[in-house]
Amino acid sequence: EIVLTQSPGTLSLSPGEVATLSCRASQTVDSNYLAWYQHKPGQAPRLLIYGAFNRATGIPDRFSGSGSGTDFTLTISRLEPEDSAVYSCQQYGGSPRAFGPGTKVDIK
Amino acid sequence: QVHLVQSGAEVKKPGASVKVSCKASGYTFTNYYIHWVRQAPGQGLEWMGIINPSGGSTSYAQKFQGRVTMTRDTSTTTVYMELSSLKSEDTAVYYCARTGDYGDYLDYWGQGTLVTVSS
Repeated sequence: EIVLTQSPGTLSLSPGEVATLSCRASQTVDSNYLAWYQHKPGQAPRLLIYGAFNRATGIPDRFSGSGSGTDFTLTISRLEPEDSAVYSCQQYGGSPRAFGPGTKVDIK
Repeated sequence: QVHLVQSGAEVKKPGASVKVSCKASGYTFTNYYIHWVRQAPGQGLEWMGIINPSGGSTSYAQKFQGRVTMTRDTSTTTVYMELSSLKSEDTAVYYCARTGDYGDYLDYWGQGTLVTVSS
């Protein structure tokens, strides 16, 4: 069973800055089957990235994914106030399709 | 346009069961798997299991084995998730979500169903 850890737990940044979020897997994620989701209170999660670096439909190019194997990164450039949310990674290469605990991004 | 519409909020007593529905529209129902994911208050997302609407086969997270049952009705394009022997720790928002075109990631989500377990 693959366990995902995310760091940092919370990130406090200002508009225009760059956020770098880390997701580390306890084992290699097959075929880089790693997704990132944005989750805001009272809303359903939104898919941002799949296959480690592919942006989902309608996601602005400020969001980018990278990494392979066990180490993955979500980068959000030119932060905007609406980017305040929890960001979770998920591996879907094996069962269970585990999620990471999430990184909370506060835009102050 | 893809839509997943879930049933409304539920309040249940410990030991009871709850059945949440997820009606799919806007795509060929049998072509995409449906996952169930939950989020307890203050916690992260937790994957519960998956159902293949085509044949009805399922795979559940070990944590929920024996307590969760996922079914589907192809005539109404609806998927169901039933959780039994409810405990207060099962209080959470439950989401259904559809897999993507290129893999098992979750590209469309239902609006969520709050299940509250309280005596």
